[in-house]
Amino acid sequence: QKEVEQNSGPLSVPEGAIASLNCTYSDRGSQSFFWYRQYSGKSPELIMFIYSNGDKEDGRFTAQLNKASQYVSLLIRDSQPSDSATYLCAVTATTDSWGKLQFGAGTQVVVTP
Amino acid sequence: DAGVTQSPTHLIKTRGQQVTLRCSPISGHKSVSWYQQVLGQGPQFIFQYYEKEERGRGNFPDRFSARQFPNYSSELNVNALLLGDSALYLCASSFGLGDYEQYFGPGTRLTVT
Repeated sequence: QKEVEQNSGPLSVPEGAIASLNCTYSDRGSQSFFWYRQYSGKSPELIMFIYSNGDKEDGRFTAQLNKASQYVSLLIRDSQPSDSATYLCAVTATTDSWGKLQFGAGTQVVVTP
Repeated sequence: DAGVTQSPTHLIKTRGQQVTLRCSPISGHKSVSWYQQVLGQGPQFIFQYYEKEERGRGNFPDRFSARQFPNYSSELNVNALLLGDSALYLCASSFGLGDYEQYFGPGTRLTVT
């Protein structure tokens, strides 16, 4: 079982619609959860982080965390063509190196005009 | 404020050679982590340094080594390069250890021929 799992996609989303990305993790002790956006050929850019159960909103982005279900999600409202990218879910490990990030393989999002 | 900087941007090496990659963290950040990202995968943790000490090491061979300097900048060294070392090498900067947000630099694209 992979430590962090994401659907690889591509997730095709019409412009203006909501994109919903999901991520599950195996380390039950993880406390911090991050979403990174990565454009092709570029480095990951931190767009959201969440530490507590529930929802966290920042502009068009909403992160949702459910620690009991070991599940974190990202909603992108009013999707724009510029949102087309790979979205990486990352979780901080609680074993070995404290604070190291464990990444999923990413979900590719394609916003179609 | 300047973000994380890395040099060089691109590098082409031959099998068996050695390479040194450099990273400068965000001002005020004391922790630097190194990640390797191969095409189609999420970044994989290599090293974490905090206050010039190694605080974590991922599942990479001893050919990989790193250090952190008094100004918190860092170098990653890879000896006896293999074709499989071809990847994007990412440096991430954070304020401290643990559950702090990590911000990535632009990366160094290493190609081993």
